Amino acid sequence: DGGITQSPKYLFRKEGQNVTLSCEQNLNHDAMYWYRQDPGQGLRLIYYSQIVNDFQKGDIAEGYSVSREKKESFPLTVTSAQKNPTAFYLCATTNLGIGAGTQYFGPGTRLTVL
Amino acid sequence: ELKVEQNPLFLSMQEGKNYTIYCNYSTTSDRLYWYRQDPGKSLESLFVLLSNGAVKQEGRLMASLDTKARLSTLHITAAVHDLSATYFCALDMDSNYQLIWGAGTKLIIKP
Repeated sequence: DGGITQSPKYLFRKEGQNVTLSCEQNLNHDAMYWYRQDPGQGLRLIYYSQIVNDFQKGDIAEGYSVSREKKESFPLTVTSAQKNPTAFYLCATTNLGIGAGTQYFGPGTRLTVL
Repeated sequence: ELKVEQNPLFLSMQEGKNYTIYCNYSTTSDRLYWYRQDPGKSLESLFVLLSNGAVKQEGRLMASLDTKARLSTLHITAAVHDLSATYFCALDMDSNYQLIWGAGTKLIIKP
């Protein structure tokens, strides 16, 4: 069954905790992205990676960290430095090269700070 | 500053009516995307528009791209309730696989 999986679907965090959101894909896509969506708002880019062991900051990287040790996986850690992390987090992937570009999205993780 | 502006941001309409969502952008690009998001759900790709004059249609939705005017439109024909969703346009920034997103248009279609 091909696609993008994100886990958990819902996550609750206490103040001062770090939490890690999982994103796995079996589409063999090169690039992976993390977005944050606040209620009633658009998407904001947190981090992206176009190749294993390399990633770049997006517009709102502060308080977040990522790794890309395998092509299939791009976990996002929300650190205690992120002051307002309650949001819907979306992982996306795309192929690179001629004719590519459409980003495909996972089902999302809804993070709530208690 | 790179901008993608959608309007309207909110649209409530009756079933059977036609309407258009507009997506203006501030930089040259030959690649524009439309996505749909249902409440509480993820985003689903609808259309990719790759060149000036491109037109794509799927059911009651038709998207077009005018790169000279830096404008894309998403036209809804004879709207039905199932099309209620938030629609986003996104612009490929110089083909580097980063997308600049519009704020989204929340469409409510009343039966």
